Amino acid sequence: QQPVQSPQAVILREGEDAVINCSSSKALYSVHWYRQKHGEAPVFLMILLKGGEQKGHDKISASFNEKKQQSSLYLTASQLSYSGTYFCGTEGSGGSNYKLTFGKGTLLTVNP
Amino acid sequence: KAGVTQTPRYLIKTRGQQVTLSCSPISGHRSVSWYQQTPGQGLQFLFEYFSETQRNKGNFPGRFSGRQFSNSRSEMNVSTLELGDSALYLCASSFGTVPGYTFGSGTRLTVV
Repeated sequence: QQPVQSPQAVILREGEDAVINCSSSKALYSVHWYRQKHGEAPVFLMILLKGGEQKGHDKISASFNEKKQQSSLYLTASQLSYSGTYFCGTEGSGGSNYKLTFGKGTLLTVNP
Repeated sequence: KAGVTQTPRYLIKTRGQQVTLSCSPISGHRSVSWYQQTPGQGLQFLFEYFSETQRNKGNFPGRFSGRQFSNSRSEMNVSTLELGDSALYLCASSFGTVPGYTFGSGTRLTVV
């Protein structure tokens, strides 16, 4: 079952914050976050594991709520380079099924 | 170090033909996954290989097949192409104990 991402699109001005959510109806083992710029390959940002802590990467961090099977990606003080489409990819409970099920993506545009 | 290399970058084929796409993972990465990316369906898992063994397969018809060689390079084949097979095909490799996947730039397949 494909996770649901929200919002579908968001427009920010440089320096503003954003939150992207990823919800699954299935029990999750892990949540991956990737960013894809137009015409480029998706780039791995971070992974949240069941039972793990909130992760951070520069001004980008994420959390994983196991009770709600939901992960949130937090982008603070956004920069122009943050523009792109953000995907969450989920791995089902039990792990080790060697596949990710991706959400449809959230298009983030950061303007000067 | 070199990233994930996919060839060719672009391909135009006619309905009914078959096509073979190639992926060379990062040196040392033994897991190779394939994903299909379309505007409507997003990123969808095709299959994953590790040490020449397919460990998981997505919900695609049997026209889609793959294999992995002893040097971890992988190929995917699509037979009897349909217009709906037009997509960006992405290959991703991983090390196993290191989280996250590294994606190649993809092969853009257009079926006419």
